[in-house]
Amino acid sequence: KQEVTQIPAALSVPEGENLVLNCSFTDSAIYNLQWFRQDPGKGLTSLLLIQSSQREQTSGRLNASLDKSSGRSTLYIAASQPGDSATYLCAVRSLQGGSEKLVFGKGTKLTVNP
Amino acid sequence: GAVVSQHPSWVICKSGTSVKIECRSLDFQATTMFWYRQFPKQSLMLMATSNEGSKATYEQGVEKDKFLINHASLTLSTLTVTSAHPEDSSFYICSASTSGYSEQYFGPGTRLTVT
Repeated sequence: KQEVTQIPAALSVPEGENLVLNCSFTDSAIYNLQWFRQDPGKGLTSLLLIQSSQREQTSGRLNASLDKSSGRSTLYIAASQPGDSATYLCAVRSLQGGSEKLVFGKGTKLTVNP
Repeated sequence: GAVVSQHPSWVICKSGTSVKIECRSLDFQATTMFWYRQFPKQSLMLMATSNEGSKATYEQGVEKDKFLINHASLTLSTLTVTSAHPEDSSFYICSASTSGYSEQYFGPGTRLTVT
């Protein structure tokens, strides 16, 4: 059974700092990995999707890496801003019970202080 | 593109009543729709997967008679919580994709409170 763990559970940084969020998964047989952002009481916004054959994806100040063999991914946020404050969720798509499913971690709650 | 809406965004109902939540794909045809539940500080947990015109497939531990899912068209799926109890209070999020294997697009969620 696929399990996804995100560390740390919460992170507070001053504005302008570069930071790394970590995600690990137990079964390396994944189709892809996705990072999402969730604001309080809101739905999910997809940030980056990395296919299993890829090593990293970049979008603006965000860079996500994937090491499938070790079951790890990192989300790097450069020059953090108060508007980056949100919960960041990692999810992997893999075969579960005969069908492809997204399995989510519990998230990292990020606070960027002005 | 790829916008998914949910209605209502929040709802309060009394114990024992039923409540329906709608999920719509606004600019694409969603062959497959997914319903998730999220408790505070917890992961999104998949409740069920539905394909248009077919019966939903429920995850282990999810009562199909309590959480009724209808996916009657390529743009609309509904989740009905029947005989609601306070423990059903949660954040319900739907997701849609053009097939079961393509990228999923998520709705804004519905906050259900059962009193």
